[in-house]
Amino acid sequence: NAGVTQTPKFRILKIGQSMTLQCTQDMNHNYMYWYRQDPGMGLKLIYYSVGAGITDKGEVPNGYNVSRSTTEDFPLRLELAAPSQTSVYFCASSEGSKEKLFFGSGTQLSVL
Amino acid sequence: GNSVTQMEGPVTLSEEAFLTINCTYTATGYPSLFWYVQYPGEGLQLLLKATKADDKGSNKGFEATYRKETTSFHLEKGSVQVSDSAVYFCALFTNAGKSTFGDGTTLTVKP
Repeated sequence: NAGVTQTPKFRILKIGQSMTLQCTQDMNHNYMYWYRQDPGMGLKLIYYSVGAGITDKGEVPNGYNVSRSTTEDFPLRLELAAPSQTSVYFCASSEGSKEKLFFGSGTQLSVL
Repeated sequence: GNSVTQMEGPVTLSEEAFLTINCTYTATGYPSLFWYVQYPGEGLQLLLKATKADDKGSNKGFEATYRKETTSFHLEKGSVQVSDSAVYFCALFTNAGKSTFGDGTTLTVKP
């Protein structure tokens, strides 16, 4: 089983560029999440989705957008990248709202 | 809003020492509580969970009890090993799908 797959693993962006972080899961989970982890800190929820076609903001949504057109995919879009978005990004999925999270391996993003 | 406060690290212990990492929370409603572990260069993995008051989660010798009266979910292990060196995160999840993580506690176990 692949579980949760994130791409790319590393990326360097220039200020003002845009990119999409891809996330796909093969466990038929309804819930999917995007987190960012800054050095020495815990995870901050950016956006989450409770099913296809439904998304909602987390703690730190500014500068990001998401879509959920299928159960499997939950891409995260960065528009006009800023240095403050330098972080490690994790995608995760779960069967339910209080169930175990399955994490992707992370994307290390640097905005210079 | 919801919040999770973890004991600040880093924590350094000798092998076979007793471990406690404190975690307290504030939340509306009845959240589920989790401990996740992150080994160097990896994503987070579930260590244990508890879904209601007085539940005890346990795994790999670690345990934590959901204490509603003190709003705590402290992580304990009786005898740590070098392989337990990692960052430990306390987290709460609500019915609405939102989650809140603590800032993490780095544990280093020396032989």
